[in-house]
Amino acid sequence: SQTIHQWPATLVQPVGSPLSLECTVEGTSNPNLYWYRQAAGRGLQLLFYSVGIGQISSEVPQNLSASRPQDRQFILSSKKLLLSDSGFYLCAWGLGTFGRADTQYFGPGTRLTVL
Amino acid sequence: GNSVTQMEGPVTLSEEAFLTINCTYTATGYPSLFWYVQYPGEGLQLLLKATKADDKGSNKGFEATYRKETTSFHLEKGSVQVSDSAVYFCALTNTGGFKTIFGAGTRLFVKA
Repeated sequence: SQTIHQWPATLVQPVGSPLSLECTVEGTSNPNLYWYRQAAGRGLQLLFYSVGIGQISSEVPQNLSASRPQDRQFILSSKKLLLSDSGFYLCAWGLGTFGRADTQYFGPGTRLTVL
Repeated sequence: GNSVTQMEGPVTLSEEAFLTINCTYTATGYPSLFWYVQYPGEGLQLLLKATKADDKGSNKGFEATYRKETTSFHLEKGSVQVSDSAVYFCALTNTGGFKTIFGAGTRLFVKA
């Protein structure tokens, strides 16, 4: 069966510090991978998605970046965090069928607080 | 373009009450429709889905029917429980890309 891991679960960082969040998927090959952010009490904001190694699509221009160094590994990074980067970060994977996305499977999330 | 609109919350119900959360969509062609649920402090998980018109998705007592004529996918449950308290997201996918379009989410509180 497939599983998705995210770490860390919680993180408190000062403004201006770097960030690295990691997501790995087990039990499937060539998944589509996604990073979302959820501000407190708000909906989901798609940040990045990837349909293959080294392929990254950015949805929101900001100080975050993403990389996919391996088929089932997706990393979210920042060189300098802002207060507005605080939120709940969710990684998800899914498979595409007939040219569209199918069900997405979400990780447990990382709660980031920038002080 | 593709979009999803769902009723604003929060929705507060007593245990055993009937639940409806409205969801309408805008899309070309024949999108697939989903309901996801998010329990406090967790990621989202699929609740149910429907891939073509008139399909009914169901799971854990929840149901939703894909209505193409009204572009709707309303979520219903006949008798809610306290454990159903969560945020519910309506979503769609469509051909031409691998993104999922999510609604804003509806928070449900169920009181004992």
